[in-house]
Amino acid sequence: ETGVTQTPRHLVMGMTNKKSLKCEQHLGHNAMYWYKQSAKKPLELMFVYSLEERVENNSVPSRFSPECPNSSHLFLHLHTLQPEDSALYLCASSHTGLYGYTFGSGTRLTVV
Amino acid sequence: AQSVTQLGSHVSVSEGALVLLRCNYSSSVPPYLFWYVQYPNQGLQLLLKYTSAATLVKGINGFEAEFKKSETSFHLTKPSAHMSDAAEYFCAVSDVSGANSKLTFGKGITLSVRP
Repeated sequence: ETGVTQTPRHLVMGMTNKKSLKCEQHLGHNAMYWYKQSAKKPLELMFVYSLEERVENNSVPSRFSPECPNSSHLFLHLHTLQPEDSALYLCASSHTGLYGYTFGSGTRLTVV
Repeated sequence: AQSVTQLGSHVSVSEGALVLLRCNYSSSVPPYLFWYVQYPNQGLQLLLKYTSAATLVKGINGFEAEFKKSETSFHLTKPSAHMSDAAEYFCAVSDVSGANSKLTFGKGITLSVRP
């Protein structure tokens, strides 16, 4: 248990489905992040939330929609995904980012 | 802008041998540096971090790293590899300039340990 909990751990969805990934932290951190990790590729930062405001959106397609209702919860809403979106999606949290991030165990997403 | 270079994608060592994973960074401000480990289908776990105190940093599982400003390096070492060390290792740098500093990760390197 790292202090950052991601659910579900595994998700298989069709290209026409709508699903959401959930991330929860109770570490008192004030920033939360979504990363995408594909095979043989570097970690890709998708979104950054600081004090519940989105501060970074790295040219992510609109079929990915983040939501941060409070400092402890972060969601990634998914709709009409493509097979190339299949990856491990990692959530992380930090206190300003200076002292490193705490990662969740990830959601393994497969788009069929 | 900051960046991290981890040369090579794969390192293989024998059990009991020295582990050396290289990391070089580029940063316009004094950096904070990190090493993370990732086991299959898991998130990244912090191994150790350098935050401008001692230049030799000791982490979990017997790993350590030395910050060398003159070489802009932060190489990770372990004197004797164990089978359980097989994983992917990421070096990362965080600048100290912003209120919400961002970690920049290297592309990672896979460590294999041979019996």
